[in-house]
Amino acid sequence: KAGVTQTPRYLIKTRGQQVTLSCSPISGHRSVSWYQQTPGQGLQFLFEYFSETQRNKGNFPGRFSGRQFSNSRSEMNVSTLELGDSALYLCASSLGGARNIQYFGAGTRLSVL
Amino acid sequence: QKEVEQNSGPLSVPEGAIASLNCTYSDRGSQSFFWYRQYSGKSPELIMSIYSNGDKEDGRFTAQLNKASQYVSLLIRDSQPSDSATYLCAVHSGGSNYKLTFGKGTLLTVNP
Repeated sequence: KAGVTQTPRYLIKTRGQQVTLSCSPISGHRSVSWYQQTPGQGLQFLFEYFSETQRNKGNFPGRFSGRQFSNSRSEMNVSTLELGDSALYLCASSLGGARNIQYFGAGTRLSVL
Repeated sequence: QKEVEQNSGPLSVPEGAIASLNCTYSDRGSQSFFWYRQYSGKSPELIMSIYSNGDKEDGRFTAQLNKASQYVSLLIRDSQPSDSATYLCAVHSGGSNYKLTFGKGTLLTVNP
């Protein structure tokens, strides 16, 4: 069974631009969560989608948004990029329940110049 | 703010020793607990999950949960240099709060 696939793996953008990251979950998984990882803050929760509905959102500004499609694939978008948005963005998929294990993709490394 | 706390380390142990990693959490209603391992430059991978009080063993790894003390730990027996990584504790509060809250991780170094 294929794992969680994130594209692209690396991105370089400049301040003020916007970016879209993609995540394809494990087949059969309906929940997709997004996290931002930085050396100082660790792994921080961005949002979680289940069957195209956002069920929870972390404490990030409105510049961070996401969506999920009917095939469970998910995208996250960051508008008006800031230097501080440079991070590893991780996507994780699961069956969606509290006991269900989240499996992570390889991540997208975003650098904002 | 629901928090998960871990010692940042680094924790250094000799090869063959027992490594003990600790985690405390603030939300008393938390129901599911996970340990992930993250090698440098890689994404987190699940080591153990635990849902009820007591010990859970899987090979060289033992997870321990004490909900009364809001404490979860991971023991690694016969530590190997390949165990050198950052270990992340993650807590799921359950209910309608569909998210994992992660600690900042403990860096473990196993010296040959």
